[in-house]
Amino acid sequence: AIQLTQSPSSLSASVGDRVTITCRASQGIGTDLGWYQQKPGQAPKLLIYAASSLQSGVPSRFSGSGSGTAFSLTISSLQPEDFATYYCLQDYNYPWTFGQGTRVELK
Amino acid sequence: EVQVLESGGGVVQPGGSLRLSCAASGFTFASFDMSWVRQAPGNGLEWVSSINTSGGGTHYADSVKGRFTISRDNSKSTLYLQMSSLRGDDTATYFCALDRAGSSWHLFRGQGALVTVSS
Repeated sequence: AIQLTQSPSSLSASVGDRVTITCRASQGIGTDLGWYQQKPGQAPKLLIYAASSLQSGVPSRFSGSGSGTAFSLTISSLQPEDFATYYCLQDYNYPWTFGQGTRVELK
Repeated sequence: EVQVLESGGGVVQPGGSLRLSCAASGFTFASFDMSWVRQAPGNGLEWVSSINTSGGGTHYADSVKGRFTISRDNSKSTLYLQMSSLRGDDTATYFCALDRAGSSWHLFRGQGALVTVSS
């Protein structure tokens, strides 16, 4: 199975900060990767699909990049509602796998 | 508006069975692949199973293969997950998702169904 390794596992940031989360795949997956935001007690929310495509309705401060084995999610200016846990997901092949998550906390 | 409602969760003893349902509305259910993803308490997300539009193609995580069965009824716009031989590590909230094949696009719209396996 393809392993996805996210870094960092957690980070502390302030409103207005630029935040970047990385996701590294154990083998090449093209651009078959998505990014999700999850808040406690809620379902995951799709932010980015196909590595860099912004899901409809998601603010433009979120962006994704990468291909092959290295991917990143960037929040250009962190807002109060962005404090959450973020996951990457690959569906290049089965079994689909998630990264372990990155918790973004208020500094 | 795309909506899904997961149901059927509850407390079950180890070795028991349970069937989850995911009732869909607001979109053409028969046009989308569907999946189940779960999250154990305090843990991350884990893909469980996926099914194609016709129901003729299914995939399972190794952790549930042979114990869980995914199915769908397009006439009822409903996805199912039949779970048997349940174990403690199956305790989780189970979410269903819409999938757009080949685009890494997976949409979650429900609140999930909590399954607790305990004696």
